[in-house]
Amino acid sequence: DSGVTQTPKHLITATGQRVTLRCSPRSGDLSVYWYQQSLDQGLQFLIQYYNGEERAKGNILERFSAQQFPDLHSELNLSSLELGDSALYFCASSPRALNSPLHFGNGTRLTVT
Amino acid sequence: GESVGLHLPTLSVQEGDNSIINCAYSNSASDYFIWYKQESGKGPQFIIDIRSNMDKRQGQRVTVLLNKTVKHLSLQIAATQPGDSAVYFCAENIGNYQLIWGAGTKLIIKP
Repeated sequence: DSGVTQTPKHLITATGQRVTLRCSPRSGDLSVYWYQQSLDQGLQFLIQYYNGEERAKGNILERFSAQQFPDLHSELNLSSLELGDSALYFCASSPRALNSPLHFGNGTRLTVT
Repeated sequence: GESVGLHLPTLSVQEGDNSIINCAYSNSASDYFIWYKQESGKGPQFIIDIRSNMDKRQGQRVTVLLNKTVKHLSLQIAATQPGDSAVYFCAENIGNYQLIWGAGTKLIIKP
């Protein structure tokens, strides 16, 4: 158990809809990362927060947004969903912003129909 | 562009043998490297990391080797077990808060 909790585990929704994925980082970790993993693909970095502030942005679509709250949990919002958004979405956390291992949750599997 | 790549997408190893998974990186300024293991249906699991001021680091049954001259990283797993079956990812930190991830190598253990 990595200590990172993601909810829900599975999500099935229709095109055009909006969903929110939630992540609770490991106790004491200040940095939260969001990744997307499509079937049999590698990890695509979306966005990173450190202690409530956005620190780095990757290949995140404008339809997607995220935030980290004062209690350090984070939410990833996906809107105007398309079939191609179906993927595993992982959250990871680390103590620092740089040069420390990321610890991943078990992901949210999003299916857009 | 900058990237981390893997030489072999799939590696089959006899149970009990040693496994070596390779990774090439292109950014000589990278100062931190990590190996992850991802089992089916689970999130990536941290295995071992190494900083650029080191050439070798050992963990339990795993060793990471870093060759900065040829920008090559390898993960050695000793006495491979069925539980080692997974996809292995290398990642490098190029100093801008982002990790650059390789495409992954699938390790298959033959009984």
